[in-house]
Amino acid sequence: DARVTQTPRDKVTEMGQEVTMRCQPILGHNTVFWYRQTMMQGLELLAYFRNRAPLDDSGMPKDRFSAEMPDATLATLKIQPSEPRDSAVYFCASGLAPGTRSQETQYFGPGTRLLVL
Amino acid sequence: AQSVSQHNHHVILSEAASLELGCNYSYGGTVNLFWYVQYPGQHLQLLLKYFSGDPLVKGIKGFEAEFIKSKFSFNLRKPSVQWSDTAEYFCAVNVQGTYKYIFGTGTRLKVLA
Repeated sequence: DARVTQTPRDKVTEMGQEVTMRCQPILGHNTVFWYRQTMMQGLELLAYFRNRAPLDDSGMPKDRFSAEMPDATLATLKIQPSEPRDSAVYFCASGLAPGTRSQETQYFGPGTRLLVL
Repeated sequence: AQSVSQHNHHVILSEAASLELGCNYSYGGTVNLFWYVQYPGQHLQLLLKYFSGDPLVKGIKGFEAEFIKSKFSFNLRKPSVQWSDTAEYFCAVNVQGTYKYIFGTGTRLKVLA
């Protein structure tokens, strides 16, 4: 049963520290999405990649957030420096594109719950 | 800009009651439609999806959704809910070829035992 994996599952850090979240997409998927979920804002798309190239990162605060795909099996989301308002659950999702319409489905990972004190 | 509206933010039902959650989108072109469920403390899981063909789509756990193109709607239904259906439900629209989803704000369903 192929799944998206994310690490760490939980992270507590102090304001100003660097946070790195990792995502392993489903093998063979070439599109990776990063979302942030908060009670106030709901589910927000931060960035997404296709074939490791960033297609859209307009949802991401550029001054402190960065997203990369060092290789096809790893996507990272980094926050430096972190702030209390970054506290949220960060989800990664992967999919296959371009493909048939039935392949345009995103599969979500379990999320990283981040708390910045 | 495309948008997705879920008008019911919170729904409380008793077990065995019927469920219908509304979802409307604004886009005139070809779209793919999805419903995801998020159980407390868990990630989003795909309930069902519509791409083309029969507008009545059946998903997992007894859920179904009907695409009504003229109304730009994709409402989620279940004839008889269970306590275990307590979760948050998200409708999403994907404009064909863009690979980017637009999510609704979600509907929190609480089923009373």
